[in-house]
Amino acid sequence: KAGVTQTPRYLIKTRGQQVTLSCSPISGHRSVSWYQQTPGQGLQFLFEYFSETQRNKGNFPGRFSGRQFSNSRSEMNVSTLELGDSALYLCASSATVMADNEQFFGPGTRLTVL
Amino acid sequence: SQELEQSPQSLIVQEGKNLTINCTSSKTLYGLYWYKQKYGEGLIFLMMLQKGGEEKSHEKITAKLDEKKQQSSLHITASQPSHAGIYLCGAERGGSGGTSYGKLTFGQGTILTVHP
Repeated sequence: KAGVTQTPRYLIKTRGQQVTLSCSPISGHRSVSWYQQTPGQGLQFLFEYFSETQRNKGNFPGRFSGRQFSNSRSEMNVSTLELGDSALYLCASSATVMADNEQFFGPGTRLTVL
Repeated sequence: SQELEQSPQSLIVQEGKNLTINCTSSKTLYGLYWYKQKYGEGLIFLMMLQKGGEEKSHEKITAKLDEKKQQSSLHITASQPSHAGIYLCGAERGGSGGTSYGKLTFGQGTILTVHP
């Protein structure tokens, strides 16, 4: 079974631009969560989607948004990029939203904002 | 203050030595995850411990959950260079009806170096 895949793996953008990152969960998984990892703040939760609906959102500005498609694939978008948005963006998938389901992470997308 | 505190922040051991990493929560734990991360890469799922003082082992790694102390420990026996990396604990907050919030709160990580 293929794991969680994320594209692209690396991305370089300039301030003010926008970016879209993609995540394909493990086949059969319906929940996708997004995290931002930076050296200063560590791993922080962005949002979670289940069955195309956002269930939960972390404490990030409205420039960060996401969506989930009917095939459970998810995208996140960051508009008006700032230098501080440079980070490793990780997505995780789990089969359901039950508390005993493991979350499996993808390899991440490394975003650099110049 | 951090909701999840890991200790130590970094650890350097000689190959073959045993080691323990601790993760302490300031809130009630419903589910505790351990992940390993190579720098700049994704997280590798190690194990998940649920409420109830659970203990799990996989190869040379054992994790325990002490719900009274709101603490989990990860113990590696006879460490090898392949164990090197960043170990992260993540906690889940329970929702209603046994569902999760889908959100994991993570500790700051423990950097493990194993010298051959």
